[in-house]
Amino acid sequence: DIVMTQSPDSLAVSLGEGATINCKSGQSVLHSSNNKNYLAWYQQKPGQPPKLLIYWASTRESGVPDRFSGSGSGTDFTLTISSLQAEDVAVYYCQQYFITPLTFGGGTEVEIK
Amino acid sequence: QVQLVQSGAEVKKPGASVKISCKASGYTFIFYAIHWVRQAPGQRLEWMGWINAGNGDTKYSQMFQGRVTITKDTSATTAYMELSSLRSEDSAVYYCARADLRDSGSYSWFDPWGQGTQVTVSS
Repeated sequence: DIVMTQSPDSLAVSLGEGATINCKSGQSVLHSSNNKNYLAWYQQKPGQPPKLLIYWASTRESGVPDRFSGSGSGTDFTLTISSLQAEDVAVYYCQQYFITPLTFGGGTEVEIK
Repeated sequence: QVQLVQSGAEVKKPGASVKISCKASGYTFIFYAIHWVRQAPGQRLEWMGWINAGNGDTKYSQMFQGRVTITKDTSATTAYMELSSLRSEDSAVYYCARADLRDSGSYSWFDPWGQGTQVTVSS
């Protein structure tokens, strides 16, 4: 199984400041056939299901604010929130869809400082 | 709009089975896959398996092999997940999620997700 490790577990950021969440996969999720990273990011607010933010590691889902960006390749990935807004308080998860079992990171809780 | 609506909360005794439905609307059901994921308190999201809503092919996580069955009713545009031999550790919120269908052995991100179904296993 591909183990997904996120860091930090939680972080507190002032409104308007940036936040960076890291995700490391136990093996590469870069597919040689199409040079795409099979990595997605989700946002989950309390009492709600996860919501897709980013896929192919860096492609923003339609409707997602451009303050959210994804980067990285192979085994190391980052989700960046450029200027934290109050509505961004949530838990963020990375997920690999490279191979089954599809696996998720442990989540990073983002709160306002 | 694309929507997945799940059945309501369930309370079951240890050893029983639970079957959750996931009603899809707003898109062509057979052109996509439906995956099932659960989230237990304090645990990470856990993938259980998926069904190709077109041809009915399924694949399950080894973690649940033998206990989980995913089916579909195309005419009702609904997928189902049944989990048997329930134990207290199966108490969780269960989600269905839509994914693109890709070439064999290739997978996709999940979007959207159902609202979740709370399953409580207690004697």
